[in-house]
Amino acid sequence: QVQLQESGPGLVKPSETLALTCNVSGGSITYHHWSWVRQPPGKGLEWIGYIYYSGETHYTPYFKSRVSMSVDTSKNHFSLNLRSVTAADTAVYFCARGQTDDRHFDSWGRGTLVTVSS
Amino acid sequence: QSVLTQPASVSGSPGQSITISCTGSDTDISSYDFVSWYQLHPGKGPKLIIYDVNNRPSGISDRFSGSKSGSVASLTISGLQAEDEADYYCSSYTIFSIFVFGSGTAVTV
Repeated sequence: QVQLQESGPGLVKPSETLALTCNVSGGSITYHHWSWVRQPPGKGLEWIGYIYYSGETHYTPYFKSRVSMSVDTSKNHFSLNLRSVTAADTAVYFCARGQTDDRHFDSWGRGTLVTVSS
Repeated sequence: QSVLTQPASVSGSPGQSITISCTGSDTDISSYDFVSWYQLHPGKGPKLIIYDVNNRPSGISDRFSGSKSGSVASLTISGLQAEDEADYYCSSYTIFSIFVFGSGTAVTV
């Protein structure tokens, strides 16, 4: 059974770049799409974007100017970079998987809290 | 930035049935049968409970069911149990090739 595990700094300074990695174990990173979703404190889920194993990306317009995603098939992980962060980017960040032709997320990580503060 | 609207909270007694609505638009729910529902317990990752409007993944109780009419999707939980107390989110694929989530509903048993 596939498992996803988010990793990265728990504290990022304002104006800097938030960088997270999602390690995929128990399954291949190929033939899937991989998403990042976040949940600010006390708020709902926000979909940030996804990347196919081929490298094709789709980002929600709200984040499009600040976000980039990449996939490393040799390491079986994918990554999120969110630039120029502010306190509003403080959230629990989840990574999630979907099958290539599916439009839902069948496996999720437990999430990692990232706080933006000086 | 939630695009899909859900009631903030729904409550029910053990054994009862509840329904959570998810209202979208012609760019998302109305356009595709790609509505999914997720259950979120504190400290855990979301769990897929319904996909493609009314399909349950393996291992999900048949007490969970989904439906859609026009731009409104619904999740029904029948035979409510204490373990069902959680936050529930709907999601839809959109004509812009992106996903949107609902505002979330807290279910109290």
